Amino acid sequence: EAGVTQFPSHSVIEKGQTVTLRCDPISGHDNLYWYRRVMGKEIKFLLHFVKESKQDESGMPNNRFLAERTGGTYSTLKVQPAELEDSGVYFCASSLDGLADVYEQYFGPGTRLTVT
Amino acid sequence: QQQVKQSPQSLIVQKGGISIINCAYENTAFDYFPWYQQFPGKGPALLIAIRPDVSEKKEGRFTISFNKSAKQFSLHIMDSQPGDSATYFCAAYGNTGNQFYFGTGTSLTVIP
Repeated sequence: EAGVTQFPSHSVIEKGQTVTLRCDPISGHDNLYWYRRVMGKEIKFLLHFVKESKQDESGMPNNRFLAERTGGTYSTLKVQPAELEDSGVYFCASSLDGLADVYEQYFGPGTRLTVT
Repeated sequence: QQQVKQSPQSLIVQKGGISIINCAYENTAFDYFPWYQQFPGKGPALLIAIRPDVSEKKEGRFTISFNKSAKQFSLHIMDSQPGDSATYFCAAYGNTGNQFYFGTGTSLTVIP
């Protein structure tokens, strides 16, 4: 079974540019999460999809971040315009949709974003 | 405000030794405490987890010790091996907030 995949693995962009990160969850996983880790800091929750609906987006830093999950399959996270403080590793995770399954989150390898 | 505090930031242990990583939390609503292991180029993977109704959970060489009154929990890796070299994250989850709160990570290096 394929795991969570993320694309690209690395992205280097200039301040003010736009970047779109993609996450493909494990097939059949209705829950999809985005997290971010700024260097040396904790992994922070950004938002949670259940199928195509945003269940919780309380962790999104500001309105420069837009997440979508059309059709309830893959998800994209767009940063527009990017700022220096957006640099970090963006993780995606997915889980099944049972009450206990929220605890069983499977993480992708992350996208390392560097804004210069 | 950091919900889960983790220490140390880095740890170097000789092969065969015991690695100990500590975490502390404040929110008593947390009811699930997992540890994640992350190798370079990979995402964090669930290693072991505990609920607050027990004080210890052991899986192979990995043990979580949980102190509810002190609001602390720790990961012990017995007989540490070079293959255990990775970054370890503690985390906490509770019904208030419905999200995982992670520690800052500990980079473990096991020297042969």
